[in-house]
Amino acid sequence: AQKITQTQPGMFVQEKEAVTLDCTYDTSDPSYGLFWYKQPSSGEMIFLIYQGSYDQQNATEGRYSLNFQKARKSANLVISASQLGDSAMYFCAMRVLDSNYQLIWGAGTKLIIKP
Amino acid sequence: ETGVTQTPRHLVMGMTNKKSLKCEQHLGHNAMYWYKQSAKKPLELMFVYSLEERVENNSVPSRFSPECPNSSHLFLHLHTLQPEDSALYLCASSQEGGYYGYTFGSGTRLTVV
Repeated sequence: AQKITQTQPGMFVQEKEAVTLDCTYDTSDPSYGLFWYKQPSSGEMIFLIYQGSYDQQNATEGRYSLNFQKARKSANLVISASQLGDSAMYFCAMRVLDSNYQLIWGAGTKLIIKP
Repeated sequence: ETGVTQTPRHLVMGMTNKKSLKCEQHLGHNAMYWYKQSAKKPLELMFVYSLEERVENNSVPSRFSPECPNSSHLFLHLHTLQPEDSALYLCASSQEGGYYGYTFGSGTRLTVV
């Protein structure tokens, strides 16, 4: 079965510290894409970072990096030097080639940055 | 204007009302989606349109009726809703298949009274 698991319902992190949000996935499809989205309280779902299953290097986008460990089927999001504006829900999602347009979503992690 | 725009941002409607949610994308994408996000539940895909044809309908009640007149516009027509339909409704767009992800709008927060 194809599934995304986010085991941290909520996290508190001190401002300026790095934070790692966990995501594990399950699929037997060799071709897939992994995504992280941020959802502030305003509701908009904001794309952060993408990792393809055949990508040799871990994806990075500014302060965001994706720690992709294919053998462990994990795709953790790392946010360096956290800021108050990083407080939000974070969702991990997966797209497989034959999923007919659907993204498979995790339950999300609520991140709160403390000043 | 760029990205994906949803209107209205907030909507309160009675169970006997008829209303419509609107979504517009300016990204040149050819697939558009409606998602429902209820409190403490994963995102639920409701409808998918690719090249203006509906390609997915995930067992959504008939009181929700989508319309995609062209590749830039998507509507969700609502009638005789129930209180449990109160949720955040998110529109998204992608290049066909969405293999490299979606771009979402800001959502419409719907309350059914």
